[in-house]
Amino acid sequence: KQEVTQIPAALSVPEGENLVLNCSFTDSAIYNLQWFRQDPGKGLTSLLLIQSSQREQTSGRLNASLDKSSGRSTLYIAASQPGDSATYLCAVRGNAGNMLTFGGGTRLMVKP
Amino acid sequence: GAVVSQHPSRVICKSGTSVKIECRSLDFQATTMFWYRQFPKQSLMLMATSNEGSKATYEQGVEKDKFLINHASLTLSTLTVTSAHPEDSSFYICSAIWRGGGTDTQYFGPGTRLTVL
Repeated sequence: KQEVTQIPAALSVPEGENLVLNCSFTDSAIYNLQWFRQDPGKGLTSLLLIQSSQREQTSGRLNASLDKSSGRSTLYIAASQPGDSATYLCAVRGNAGNMLTFGGGTRLMVKP
Repeated sequence: GAVVSQHPSRVICKSGTSVKIECRSLDFQATTMFWYRQFPKQSLMLMATSNEGSKATYEQGVEKDKFLINHASLTLSTLTVTSAHPEDSSFYICSAIWRGGGTDTQYFGPGTRLTVL
């Protein structure tokens, strides 16, 4: 059974810092990995999706990497802003079916 | 882009009543939808897979008689929480599979906050 872990569970940084969020998964036989953002009481916003054959994806100040063999992904946020404050979730899709397995999330607070 | 809506966004009900939550894919057809539950400060837990025209597939530990799922059309799945109790209070999120561009992508609804008094 796939298990997804995110470290740290919570993070507080001053504005302008570059930061890295970590995601690890136990079964490397994945179809893709996705990073989401969730604001309090809201649904999920997809940030980046990395197919199993890819190593990284970039969107603006966000860069996500994937090392499938070691079961790890990182989300890099450059020049963090207070508006980046949210919970970041990573989710892994296995090769069978469309089911996503979510990590516990990282609650990020960027202080002005 | 693919949009998924949920209705209602928030519902408060008395213990013992039933509540229906709708999940719609607005601009695409979805043969498969998923229902998740999220408790405060926790991650999403998959409850069931909703398949159009057939019975839903429930995850271990989820009572199918309590959480009724109906996927009667290619754009609508409903989750009915029967005889709701305070412990059913949670954030319920649905997602729908969009099959386009050669990949299957899940798009998530905005969620429904259920509070059972």
